[in-house]
Amino acid sequence: KQEVTQIPAALSVPEGENLVLNCSFTDSAIYNLQWFRQDPGKGLTSLLLIQSSQREQTSGRLNASLDKSSGRSTLYIAASQPGDSATYLCAVRGVTGAGSYQLTFGKGTKLSVIP
Amino acid sequence: DAGVTQSPTHLIKTRGQQVTLRCSPKSGHDTVSWYQQALGQGPQFIFQYYEEEERQRGNFPDRFSGHQFPNYSSELNVNALLLGDSALYLCASSFGQNYGYTFGSGTRLTVV
Repeated sequence: KQEVTQIPAALSVPEGENLVLNCSFTDSAIYNLQWFRQDPGKGLTSLLLIQSSQREQTSGRLNASLDKSSGRSTLYIAASQPGDSATYLCAVRGVTGAGSYQLTFGKGTKLSVIP
Repeated sequence: DAGVTQSPTHLIKTRGQQVTLRCSPKSGHDTVSWYQQALGQGPQFIFQYYEEEERQRGNFPDRFSGHQFPNYSSELNVNALLLGDSALYLCASSFGQNYGYTFGSGTRLTVV
């Protein structure tokens, strides 16, 4: 059974700092990995999608890397801003069987960027 | 291009009642999945619908049921509501395996 862990659970940084959020998964047989942002009480906004054959994806100040063999992904946020404050979730999609039809999520990292 | 639309936004129900949540997928998407998110937790997979059939189900009791219509929209029904069913219910749509999921804003269900 796939398990996804996100470290740290919460993070508070001053504005302008570069930061890294970590995600690990137990089963390396994944089809892709997706990073989401969730504001309090709201739905999920997709940030980046990395296919299993890719090593990284970039969008603006965000960069996500994937090391499938070691079961790890990192989300790098450059020059953090107060508007980046939110919970960041990573989710993996399996390759075969039941895992291929669902996303397995971590519990998220709650980020606070202090002005 | 409209994304995933969910209704209602908020709902308060009494224990033992039944509830129906609705979802319209993003244009061009043919697959709808439902997730339950308790406070402080990651979303948990309930089930997925494709071609009007339940394709896969997570670890949820039969009180949770769903439906997909020919226009790809979907409903989630929960019978005999329990206090523990209080959560944010998220709908996600997708197309094929090469593309990611698009989530709606969710329905906040409170059972009292």
